[in-house]
Amino acid sequence: GESVGLHLPTLSVQEGDNSIINCAYSNSASDYFIWYKQESGKGPQFIIDIRSNMDKRQGQRVTVLLNKTVKHLSLQIAATQPGDSAVYFCAESRASGGSYIPTFGRGTSLIVHP
Amino acid sequence: DAGITQSPRHKVTETGTPVTLRCHQTENHRYMYWYRQDPGHGLRLIHYSYGVKDTDKGEVSDGYSVSRSKTEDFLLTLESATSSQTSVYFCAISGSYNEQFFGPGTRLTVL
Repeated sequence: GESVGLHLPTLSVQEGDNSIINCAYSNSASDYFIWYKQESGKGPQFIIDIRSNMDKRQGQRVTVLLNKTVKHLSLQIAATQPGDSAVYFCAESRASGGSYIPTFGRGTSLIVHP
Repeated sequence: DAGITQSPRHKVTETGTPVTLRCHQTENHRYMYWYRQDPGHGLRLIHYSYGVKDTDKGEVSDGYSVSRSKTEDFLLTLESATSSQTSVYFCAISGSYNEQFFGPGTRLTVL
């Protein structure tokens, strides 16, 4: 079946650097994309989302970029901090009966060195 | 955790025993979901609910059943637990066409 994947399983950065986590999706019918952060021992936490009618969306220190032509999604974290160390998941989904049923990638581990 | 609790948080059981995990929300959201998370597989959907008594299967539903008799509670049952069901189980909730909010997880070990 179609699935979401991540280019890099582990990303190591220095504190203060900008981080970019990439994700490829394969279902061209997907119209809603989400990034989650999961810290050790906790449930995934919503970071930011984007719908297919947008190319870019910004939050606090985070930006999501969507390239529908090549089915690519990225999460940019500005001025990365040690507290950003976690596993980051992208998820793709499309509307079904009033809800979105997402398909998750396996995750990228972000390690921030002080 | 957006008003979501899961119980128990940890459980060790033996093969062949029934197990029920509970998810409780205080957000009055319509949609509730059960996922399992295993190394190398990410989050996989087991079952979900789109209303009281309305449920549907996810991609890994074999060996699991669910029930939702009240808006706030979504139960996941393993009728006869197997070692392959050792995992971390997450419940999630969402409103219509919105992001999901996840509970803290239940770590289940089947010996």
